Amino acid sequence: ILNVEQSPQSLHVQEGDSTNFTCSFPSSNFYALHWYRWETAKSPEALFVMTLNGDEKKKGRISATLNTKEGYSYLYIKGSQPEDSATYLCASVNAGNNRKLIWGLGTSLAVNP
Amino acid sequence: NAGVTQTPKFRVLKTGQSMTLLCAQDMNHEYMYWYRQDPGMGLRLIHYSVGEGTTAKGEVPDGYNVSRLKKQNFLLGLESAAPSQTSVYFCASAGGEKLFFGSGTQLSVL
Repeated sequence: ILNVEQSPQSLHVQEGDSTNFTCSFPSSNFYALHWYRWETAKSPEALFVMTLNGDEKKKGRISATLNTKEGYSYLYIKGSQPEDSATYLCASVNAGNNRKLIWGLGTSLAVNP
Repeated sequence: NAGVTQTPKFRVLKTGQSMTLLCAQDMNHEYMYWYRQDPGMGLRLIHYSVGEGTTAKGEVPDGYNVSRLKKQNFLLGLESAAPSQTSVYFCASAGGEKLFFGSGTQLSVL
């Protein structure tokens, strides 16, 4: 994989549902994987930065896992709420790349009340 | 503590006009970035800086110039605006791992 790919492109869930989406990234020369939340008409805000294979991070109802050997990360939202509606972006950073992030196109999540 | 401040928030230019977008951060961050965001394209890196006095090209640098004369400021210049530069521009800075973004500049070139 040369680019960062996110799936699904969009997702509609009901309030209370749990959901997850995937970020695939180049596993060679890996340095870090970022997750950002981007609400409409706002700017992206960092959720997690993960560097080690097997890393798991949690922030409230949102958690993320990292597999650097196979080049994927999952983002989980437990008990989705309407305020979770946003685009979730992931980005990978390669070693020695001056911290340039390679961005995915995002997963757009809509949580219906 | 304002974080990352971008000015202006909106601007309309005519083809051939020039303008400068200002990004200011008060977190003493070394790294600063300029991105453009277009529908279906995701965030694309225009130029970046790894410290005061340094700049480097990103993915889509053509038609833009940048300067980082002071650590806290990263300026993005359009010397002769073209309709293809109609976009939303985001500045970001990083001191540790994560990026902090400005609120964006919506630019239309007619």
